[in-house]
Amino acid sequence: NAGVTQTPKFRILKIGQSMTLQCTQDMNHNYMYWYRQDPGMGLKLIYYSVGAGITDKGEVPNGYNVSRSTTEDFPLRLELAAPSQTSVYFCACSPTDNSGANVLTFGAGSRLTVL
Amino acid sequence: AQKVTQAQTEISVVEKEDVTLDCVYETRDTTYYLFWYKQPPSGELVFLIRRNSFDEQNEISGRYSWNFQKSTSSFNFTITASQVVDSAVYFCALSEAGGNNRLAFGKGNQVVVIP
Repeated sequence: NAGVTQTPKFRILKIGQSMTLQCTQDMNHNYMYWYRQDPGMGLKLIYYSVGAGITDKGEVPNGYNVSRSTTEDFPLRLELAAPSQTSVYFCACSPTDNSGANVLTFGAGSRLTVL
Repeated sequence: AQKVTQAQTEISVVEKEDVTLDCVYETRDTTYYLFWYKQPPSGELVFLIRRNSFDEQNEISGRYSWNFQKSTSSFNFTITASQVVDSAVYFCALSEAGGNNRLAFGKGNQVVVIP
């Protein structure tokens, strides 16, 4: 059981380039999330989704887009990369239960550098 | 709005010493959940413990223990007899009931265990 798989693990982008971070889960969870982690700043929520076709902004959505066409996949798109988007990105999923009690399962992370 | 504060940034201890990590949270909800996650140098996020707002019973699990006090909005975490493998970043996080399991993270505590 792979859990949450993120690709790529590492990527270097030039300013203004675009790219998509892929995230797929095999846990059949409806809830999925994208967080970014900056040094010394903890994790901040970018976007989340409660099911296929439904997405919503988190705390830091500017400069990103997401889509959710299937339960399994939740890609994160950077349209015009900026140095401020240099970060480690984590995708996560949780069971379909809005109690707040659920433990998130995280992917291994994708380290993105924008030069 | 939910907020989690971890005031200590880096904590260094000599192996076999105890280390306590402080976490203070803010929320307007009466039902919420508190978590501790560990991020070892390899980068993945590992779930350690969860507590709900109605369960103030403290717990000991092996070398880990937790002290949850609603009166002071604190959820502190102690590692007893620290080992080198405990060197990691530890995150405190909060999830509100009905919040789609979105986690608000603190900035993390870097724990360095010196052999």
